[in-house]
Amino acid sequence: AQSVTQLGSHVSVSEGALVLLRCNYSSSVPPYLFWYVQYPNQGLQLLLKYTTGATLVKGINGFEAEFKKSETSFHLTKPSAHMSDAAEYFCAVSNQGGKLIFGQGTELSVKP
Amino acid sequence: GAGVSQSPRYKVAKRGQDVALRCDPISGHVSLFWYQQALGQGPEFLTYFQNEAQLDKSGLPSDRFFAERPEGSVSTLKIQRTQQEDSAVYLCASSYKTGRGAQETQYFGPGTRLLVL
Repeated sequence: AQSVTQLGSHVSVSEGALVLLRCNYSSSVPPYLFWYVQYPNQGLQLLLKYTTGATLVKGINGFEAEFKKSETSFHLTKPSAHMSDAAEYFCAVSNQGGKLIFGQGTELSVKP
Repeated sequence: GAGVSQSPRYKVAKRGQDVALRCDPISGHVSLFWYQQALGQGPEFLTYFQNEAQLDKSGLPSDRFFAERPEGSVSTLKIQRTQQEDSAVYLCASSYKTGRGAQETQYFGPGTRLLVL
């Protein structure tokens, strides 16, 4: 069975600081991994995804994530946080049928 | 272009009432998914359609939940005899199946927030 664990339900950073949101997965098959962002009262928007190939994936809004098979991790980073990055972030893994299995989410706060 | 739309955006129901939630996927998208998101939690899979065929309904929590997509486009999630534990945001997502289903990006609607009193 596949599962996703996001370490830290709340992360707070200062504007301009590094953002690091942690995600570990469990999968018996090669995983497809996703990061989605959710703003209040909105649906989920894809930030980036890993399917095959290059393990460092670049996404929208300056975010990137690195797939590390040995660590079963897919952490999300951004070098410099903006106020507009404040939102809920979800890591997800996809099974063979296409359905997404999500982590519990990490709420990112950005302090001025 | 138009994204995934859902209606109503908010629904308040009295316990025991039936509700119907609608999802309009992106035009041409073959796959459609329903998820349930409880307060403070990540979305959880409910059911999946490929065109009009419901291929996976393993996430439906009880037989009070029913979903359909009769013409392969619009989908309706129906909840009968609603209970307080059904209160959640119901998200719909669609994707353009390319034959590599697990890799495809799912595009989400804004959700329907259901409150059962």
